[in-house]
Amino acid sequence: QKEVEQDPGPLSVPEGAIVSLNCTYSNSAFQYFMWYRQYSRKGPELLMYTYSSGNKEDGRFTAQVDKSSKYISLFIRDSQPSDSATYLCAMSVDRGSTLGRLYFGRGTQLTVWP
Amino acid sequence: GAGVSQSPSNKVTEKGKDVELRCDPISGHTALYWYRQSLGQGLEFLIYFQGNSAPDKSGLPSDRFSAERTGGSVSTLTIQRTQQEDSAVYLCASSPDRGTYTEAFFGQGTRLTVV
Repeated sequence: QKEVEQDPGPLSVPEGAIVSLNCTYSNSAFQYFMWYRQYSRKGPELLMYTYSSGNKEDGRFTAQVDKSSKYISLFIRDSQPSDSATYLCAMSVDRGSTLGRLYFGRGTQLTVWP
Repeated sequence: GAGVSQSPSNKVTEKGKDVELRCDPISGHTALYWYRQSLGQGLEFLIYFQGNSAPDKSGLPSDRFSAERTGGSVSTLTIQRTQQEDSAVYLCASSPDRGTYTEAFFGQGTRLTVV
């Protein structure tokens, strides 16, 4: 079993839909939870991060972490065609001042059609 | 440049040849990471540098893979006697050491094809 599980999709939604992306994990030591967005033939870019449990909102994006269930989510409201990309969840152990190794899910490929 | 720079962007090599992949991190970033991304897979961790030392190289898949970092800056990932299963996108990332949460910034990757 991989430490981080993510449904690879693909996921196809109409413009304006609410998108829900999820990951589960097995390592209870994970403290940092991140979502990366990766456009085709580009490197991943950080979208949001959360420390420990709770919610975080940034514009149309909301990240949720439920450590008791070892489950994280990313919600995208009012999705746009420009949101079409692969979304990767990533996690790390709290190592103090350094980020350390990131553990990634497989990524979910999202297409938002006009 | 302002971002993480990787070269070459694409590399086609014959099976059995050695290849070197280069990463120029963001200036001043102390941590540097190598990941590998195969088609339809997530990012597979290879090695992590803090300065010039590698406290975690547990992800290197075999002794054909090695990496070094010099001057706390540029890093080179070397794959000896390449195999077809080595074909993937090799991504480098760097992050600063600030004492709080820090972000890993990724380069565009080197697409390696072994024929």
